[in-house]
Amino acid sequence: GQQLNQSPQSMFIQEGEDVSMNCTSSSIFNTWLWYKQDPGEGPVLLIALYKAGELTSNGRLTAQFGITRKDSFLNISASIPSDVGIYFCAGQLRTGNQFYFGTGTSLTVIP
Amino acid sequence: NAGVTQTPKFQVLKTGQSMTLQCAQDMNHEYMSWYRQDPGMGLRLIHYSVGAGITDQGEVPNGYNVSRSTTEDFPLRLLSAAPSQTSVYFCASSSRAGPYEQYFGPGTRLTVT
Repeated sequence: GQQLNQSPQSMFIQEGEDVSMNCTSSSIFNTWLWYKQDPGEGPVLLIALYKAGELTSNGRLTAQFGITRKDSFLNISASIPSDVGIYFCAGQLRTGNQFYFGTGTSLTVIP
Repeated sequence: NAGVTQTPKFQVLKTGQSMTLQCAQDMNHEYMSWYRQDPGMGLRLIHYSVGAGITDQGEVPNGYNVSRSTTEDFPLRLLSAAPSQTSVYFCASSSRAGPYEQYFGPGTRLTVT
């Protein structure tokens, strides 16, 4: 299957700090998605990106579709305690209907 | 709207037993998928369906069967459970108009001993 490398694996930050995480692949993707998963719940879609270079915001979250189509970035500004959770990237290849998920970034926000 | 519902929430099976994980959605979505989530790994696609009567294999289909007789329901069958199938299983659905906006159910935590 496709390998999506997500980094960092985990982050511990102070409330109010900004957060950056990224996702890279050896394959070219058509679509990049970012999800957040709270403990005991299913993932929830945060941002969807559809073309190379696209920069999209959702409140304090901003995500970018890399120019090479092989990577994507998620930034969270002014983190708050409810940002705690696991963030996943997911990508769809140029062909096929399948989505491939990264291994996740676990975010802990210290009040 | 209940969204995507999954039953049961927890299940323990012995090796060799069979069972069906249930998934239902009330949003009239065409697309439905099953994923498994293992520690340290992202979600991996098991099977998916683009409409009633149509199913296809995902990344890790071995040991699982699916069928889609209605738009609402997409059950996942484990034919002969193995310890390697211990995992958390998520069902998701999306519409043809927004295929990337998948709505996930709360998950089923399965342990095979």
